[in-house]
Amino acid sequence: GDSVTQMEGPVTLSEEAFLTINCTYTATGYPSLFWYVQYPGEGLQLLLKATKADDKGSNKGFEATYRKETTSFHLEKGSVQVSDSAVYFCALSGSGSARQLTFGSGTQLTVLP
Amino acid sequence: DTGVSQDPRHKITKRGQNVTFRCDPISEHNRLYWYRQTLGQGPEFLTYFQNEAQLEKSRLLSDRFSAERPKGSFSTLEIQRTEQGDSAMYLCASSEHQETQYFGPGTRLLVL
Repeated sequence: GDSVTQMEGPVTLSEEAFLTINCTYTATGYPSLFWYVQYPGEGLQLLLKATKADDKGSNKGFEATYRKETTSFHLEKGSVQVSDSAVYFCALSGSGSARQLTFGSGTQLTVLP
Repeated sequence: DTGVSQDPRHKITKRGQNVTFRCDPISEHNRLYWYRQTLGQGPEFLTYFQNEAQLEKSRLLSDRFSAERPKGSFSTLEIQRTEQGDSAMYLCASSEHQETQYFGPGTRLLVL
């Protein structure tokens, strides 16, 4: 079945540092790929998405490129801010008609001033 | 458009009691999903509705769980005879056709 593997956390960075969170997936067909972010006490918010190979999703300085050859969708940001502290989830949409999401286990990011 | 809303936000119950959660999706979104998230894990799919029809259920959805979406708008998720293992965050999401899923704030359940 479908699965998503994320870099284990927690990750602690200083403000303005470079961020990479690794994500690889296993899926049948051609899933869409997503990064969601969850702030403390809140639900998940879509951060970015990519729907086909070589697409790059971007939002708020975050980027991720859909790499079919390596089955990866790594999240990057050039300069993190304290306000980026949150839990980040990589996810894929299933190939069936329901298109339900399969999530990774999440990566806790803490950015220190 | 106020986004997906869920009620209650928090629920504490005793083992063996029944609980019901409500989800109001974004208006005109025909797809509605329920997920369960335990501490330190990503959400796991429970069930999916297209309009009022429940079209898919995960094997995680035991016979103590039932979900409805009677008029194709709001949905309810009921857990009968709650167990301590049911303690989790229950998330609802909606989408239009096969597009991006938008999540509500979740209902955090604690079973004592």
